[in-house]
Amino acid sequence: GQQVMQIPQYQHVQEGEDFTTYCNSSTTLSNIQWYKQRPGGHPVFLIQLVKSGEVKKQKRLTFQFGEAKKNSSLHITATQTTDVGTYFCADTNNYGQNFVFGPGTRLSVLP
Amino acid sequence: DSGVTQTPKHLITATGQRVTLRCSPRSGDLSVYWYQQSLDQGLQFLIHYYNGEERAKGNILERFSAQQFPDLHSELNLSSLELGDSALYFCASSLQLYNEQFFGPGTRLTVL
Repeated sequence: GQQVMQIPQYQHVQEGEDFTTYCNSSTTLSNIQWYKQRPGGHPVFLIQLVKSGEVKKQKRLTFQFGEAKKNSSLHITATQTTDVGTYFCADTNNYGQNFVFGPGTRLSVLP
Repeated sequence: DSGVTQTPKHLITATGQRVTLRCSPRSGDLSVYWYQQSLDQGLQFLIHYYNGEERAKGNILERFSAQQFPDLHSELNLSSLELGDSALYFCASSLQLYNEQFFGPGTRLTVL
């Protein structure tokens, strides 16, 4: 079956540094969704990418969908302590009927 | 607050027992998804219901079952519980297929 991978598994950064997490799939991705889960919390939707090569920005966050729709990335500029958490990508497949989540990238931000 | 409610918040039970987890989706959302998250692990998709009908099954064990009722709330039944079933169980809802999912706060199940 489809496998969605994320790298790195963990990332420790100093506050103010940039951070990027990558999401890769063994098959063509349908629609990519990104979620953030704070420690002890539940996943919260960040964004959905649909089109090949799509780039979307939310303040300090930039999301990109690969041209071949086999990868996606999330880049955070000038990290803050509020960015701490685990970032998951998820692919909707089977016509949106089920989701495959990547294992997540856990971000720690040192003040 | 996502608008999705899950009860109970915590559940402690013994091996071999059966439990029921309940989820109320956001008002108007037709889809309900169930996920299992073990300690420091990712989200494992279990099952999806849309407007009362089962639409997709993921890595759901035969000991687990779910249903969505006419008022759109959903229940996840876990039976013959094993130690390895200890996890956080999330329910999420969305308006339609392909839409963003709104997650509930989760039910933490501990099997002793």
